[in-house]
Amino acid sequence: SSELIQGPAVSVALGQTVTLTCQGHSLRSYPANWYQQKPGQAPVLVIYRTNNRPAGIPDRFSGSASGYTASLTITGAQADDEADYYCNSRESGGYHWVFGGGTKVTVL
Amino acid sequence: QIALKESGPTLMRPTQTLTMTCIFSGFSLSISGEGVGWIRQPPGKALEWVALIYWDDDTRYSPSLTGRLTITKDSSKNHVVLTITDMDPVDTATYYCAHLTRTYFDFWGQGLFVTVSS
Repeated sequence: SSELIQGPAVSVALGQTVTLTCQGHSLRSYPANWYQQKPGQAPVLVIYRTNNRPAGIPDRFSGSASGYTASLTITGAQADDEADYYCNSRESGGYHWVFGGGTKVTVL
Repeated sequence: QIALKESGPTLMRPTQTLTMTCIFSGFSLSISGEGVGWIRQPPGKALEWVALIYWDDDTRYSPSLTGRLTITKDSSKNHVVLTITDMDPVDTATYYCAHLTRTYFDFWGQGLFVTVSS
């Protein structure tokens, strides 16, 4: 299967914790990456290879994986974290790439 | 610092061929492990991977678009070109190019919005 499945939307109170999930057969074999996209802007990498943060990404962003599911957790969500989040990985055969459908995060 | 920028036409007619260029700096597409990909996003919709070219000229294409895509590179000029034939209104999207370092896209261009309309 070449699909990565994400929930459509989630809301989180300011300062609270939220976890986004991404499900797919390929995640058993290949690590997930996560991108944040704000309206009108290009995506920004926030987590790579399951649980690594690029330079400049706040440590409130963390990643994990188990079986067919990868997760992105925002601990102590800030207003600036309101955005769409996409997971990405190779598809099961490793030949192509695939993105999830995205999750819209609203910070209340 | 790595940077990428897309260029090309912003308005296409149905059945035309779209040719876009990604000009990059801060890395060499001659070095093992490097790649440049194209990802598109229709208005209000999700990201969709389109194509990829590796340092060794290995190319990968989205199965949903195979047959319409060609990706090439000129490492000496630091650019990658993507062509999409037989454009249709459903191909209206923002097209991004991005640097691939082995297993993830770490730097993205600002995007090029292409409208397909008669």
